[in-house]
Amino acid sequence: DAGVTQSPTHLIKTRGQQVTLRCSPKSGHDTVSWYQQALGQGPQFIFQYYEEEERQRGNFPDRFSGHQFPNYSSELNVNALLLGDSALYLCASSPGRQVAEQFFGPGTRLTVL
Amino acid sequence: AQSVTQLGSHVSVSEGALVLLRCNYSSSVPPYLFWYVQYPNQGLQLLLKYTTGATLVKGINGFEAEFKKSETSFHLTKPSAHMSDAAEYFCAVIASGGSYIPTFGRGTSLIVHP
Repeated sequence: DAGVTQSPTHLIKTRGQQVTLRCSPKSGHDTVSWYQQALGQGPQFIFQYYEEEERQRGNFPDRFSGHQFPNYSSELNVNALLLGDSALYLCASSPGRQVAEQFFGPGTRLTVL
Repeated sequence: AQSVTQLGSHVSVSEGALVLLRCNYSSSVPPYLFWYVQYPNQGLQLLLKYTTGATLVKGINGFEAEFKKSETSFHLTKPSAHMSDAAEYFCAVIASGGSYIPTFGRGTSLIVHP
């Protein structure tokens, strides 16, 4: 079992550009959550996908959007990038929505110049 | 609403010394509590969790934590620090019966001196 995988590992973009990050959940997991971890901070919840729909959303602007595919993999899209979007983006999966324990991927480090 | 406070952004110990990382939470309903570890340039790995039952929880790598409702605390301990324990540690809380989305603390960096 490969666990949760994310791609790419690192990404450098400039302000105003758009970015797509990808996540494959752990085998048997159908729920994917995305988090933003700024330097020196704890992860902040962005949104959660289940059955290909956004089920819960944190306090993030509409520039942040996502998608879940029938195989449960997920994408995070960020439009009109700002310098403040520079962070580690973590994907976590769980076997259902109302499951306390989540399994985290290694993250994608996004740098916005 | 739920929140987590981790006291001390950095904790420094000598190899072989006791490790104590502090976590206090706020939750209006019985909480689920977690400790995660994050090594440089990696994701979060679950160390241990408390959901129900025994309040003293044992985790991986010799860590344990005790849920103290009266003190709203869930401090993480390890009797003897190893150099390999140097990492960032995050405490998280979930309000049971709610959204099951964890709220994380800001993290504590554990530094282990030889």
